[in-house]
Amino acid sequence: KAGVTQTPRYLIKTRGQQVTLSCSPISGHRSVSWYQQTPGQGLQFLFEYFSETQRNKGNFPGRFSGRQFSNSRSEMNVSTLELGDSALYLCASSAFTSSGNTIYFGEGSWLTVV
Amino acid sequence: GENVGLHLPTLSVQEGDNSIINCAYSNSASDYFIWYKQESGKGPQFIIDIRSNMDKRQGQRVTVLLNKTVKHLSLQIAATQPGDSAVYFCAEYSGGYQKVTFGIGTKLQVIP
Repeated sequence: KAGVTQTPRYLIKTRGQQVTLSCSPISGHRSVSWYQQTPGQGLQFLFEYFSETQRNKGNFPGRFSGRQFSNSRSEMNVSTLELGDSALYLCASSAFTSSGNTIYFGEGSWLTVV
Repeated sequence: GENVGLHLPTLSVQEGDNSIINCAYSNSASDYFIWYKQESGKGPQFIIDIRSNMDKRQGQRVTVLLNKTVKHLSLQIAATQPGDSAVYFCAEYSGGYQKVTFGIGTKLQVIP
């Protein structure tokens, strides 16, 4: 079973630009969540989608947005990039099982804003 | 959810010894907890979870203990191996993803 796939793995953008990151969840998983990980702030929740609907949202500005498609694939977009947006962006997919909610992370997309 | 990533505590253990990694969580209403392992350059890997109606759960070489009285979570790794070297952090959930808070993590170094 293929894991969570994120693309691109590495990218460099300039301040003011926008970026779109993609996530393909594990087959059969309908919930996709996004996180930002930085050395200074650790891991922080961005938002979560289920069946194309945003169910939960973290405490990030409106420059951060996302969407989910009918095949459960998800994208997140960051507009008007700032230097502080440099981070590892992680996507996770999950599905409820009899033992609980198992969450699987992708390898992440490393974004550097210069 | 927020966490403050300051100086990462480090735990050094001899190969073959048992490791205990601790996590103090903040919200007494948290009802679900997960331990993750993150190796350098990789995404977090689910290790084990526990619900608030339990105080202990065992997996393969790992055990999670939950003490709700003092809001403390621990991860025990038996017979620690070099491949266990990574950053381990806990996550507490209350009411779904919106209320997720991640611990700062502990770096486990296994000495061969």
